[in-house]
Amino acid sequence: SAVISQKPSRDICQRGTSLTIQCQVDSQVTMMFWYRQQPGQSLTLIATANQGSEATYESGFVIDKFPISRPNLTFSTLTVSNMSPEDSSIYLCSTDGGREIDEQFFGPGTRLTVL
Amino acid sequence: AQSVSQHNHHVILSEAASLELGCNYSYGGTVNLFWYVQYPGQHLQLLLKYFSGDPLVKGIKGFEAEFIKSKFSFNLRKPSVQWSDTAEYFCAVNKGANNLFFGTGTRLTVIP
Repeated sequence: SAVISQKPSRDICQRGTSLTIQCQVDSQVTMMFWYRQQPGQSLTLIATANQGSEATYESGFVIDKFPISRPNLTFSTLTVSNMSPEDSSIYLCSTDGGREIDEQFFGPGTRLTVL
Repeated sequence: AQSVSQHNHHVILSEAASLELGCNYSYGGTVNLFWYVQYPGQHLQLLLKYFSGDPLVKGIKGFEAEFIKSKFSFNLRKPSVQWSDTAEYFCAVNKGANNLFFGTGTRLTVIP
């Protein structure tokens, strides 16, 4: 299994600003994922982040809005850029724990409110 | 559009009642199926998963789910719920990659 922590746990931000969310895993993993859970909706995959390569974004998500870093095998960041109230969501980091097509382990999430 | 549907948004049961939460998906071909649970204030965690083999899978805490391919369904069941089962339950699907597609979740409230 993998234990994941995220910072910050929650934040309230002003429109037009950016927030970087950090995700730390307690072991080295190949794949890390970023999800968004908007109020009353399901989790939606934003992008997949592999160490040493550019993140792969899902349809509807772009790098300019959600730049991702993956500097090593235990850490990743997601930045929510030029925020608007529509970006108010819970953002979750996950990893597959280094095993292919197996369960994913999730972080506690970051609750973002944009005013 | 391809999707994962959970029909029950909020289920309220008394302790010892039986539980069945519906999950249907619209993806064709081979799929891997999951149920995740999120207890209040805790992380999402895996309850059970189906990749192949026996379509009736057993998970933690007495939960089980049955994969019915012809119905594109993967319903979650528990014969007797406890107050500690109060949580949000998410059905999820992937198609051989690691991208998980989630349903909207079902909130279960168990009344002591």
